[in-house]
Amino acid sequence: SQQGEEDPQALSIQEGENATMNCSYKTSINNLQWYRQNSGRGLVHLILIRSNEREKHSGRLRVTLDTSKKSSSLLITASRAADTASYFCATSRGNTPLVFGKGTRLSVIA
Amino acid sequence: GAGVSQSPSNKVTEKGKDVELRCDPISGHTALYWYRQRLGQGLEFLIYFQGNSAPDKSGLPSDRFSAERTGESVSTLTIQRTQQEDSAVYLCASSSVPGQGVMEQYFGPGTRLTVT
Repeated sequence: SQQGEEDPQALSIQEGENATMNCSYKTSINNLQWYRQNSGRGLVHLILIRSNEREKHSGRLRVTLDTSKKSSSLLITASRAADTASYFCATSRGNTPLVFGKGTRLSVIA
Repeated sequence: GAGVSQSPSNKVTEKGKDVELRCDPISGHTALYWYRQRLGQGLEFLIYFQGNSAPDKSGLPSDRFSAERTGESVSTLTIQRTQQEDSAVYLCASSSVPGQGVMEQYFGPGTRLTVT
């Protein structure tokens, strides 16, 4: 299965701390994307990293990709209460649709 | 501009009844995807449409599930003879690059289906 697996399943931190979430997958990919979901409804795209990239930044987000280990990490710096959500990684290979992991539930306590 | 919309937002139905869920993708997006998300779980791929190509139905869990798309616009997901295990949020997404999975997907708010 190509499915990504996020780790940890749940994470609780204080506001201002950094949050790190990891994703592992099993097959070769073209790119890996991270999404955020509030309240179990629609997902919002956060960032895409291609298989030939190793690191990417967007605002307070930093994503790394290690294709040799088939893993990625999402770092949210200086977390805020509004960052509380579930975060999913999704992988793409060729013409196949995105395959999503089960997500990490992040709670940021004010 | 308008995003992906889905209707209804919530649907409660009795076991054995048929339901239709609707998705209006972003105008101009050639790819459309349906996912199912059970409580506390990740997204489960159901089906995707890419332009005029035959849809990828590999994720449909049973023959009770079917979907149609009119051109590059509205899509309808139909669940026949609903079962309690069909209870979930059904999410629709569209993207501007067909089938590649490279571009980001834009998600609708989902339809929460409850089968009693």
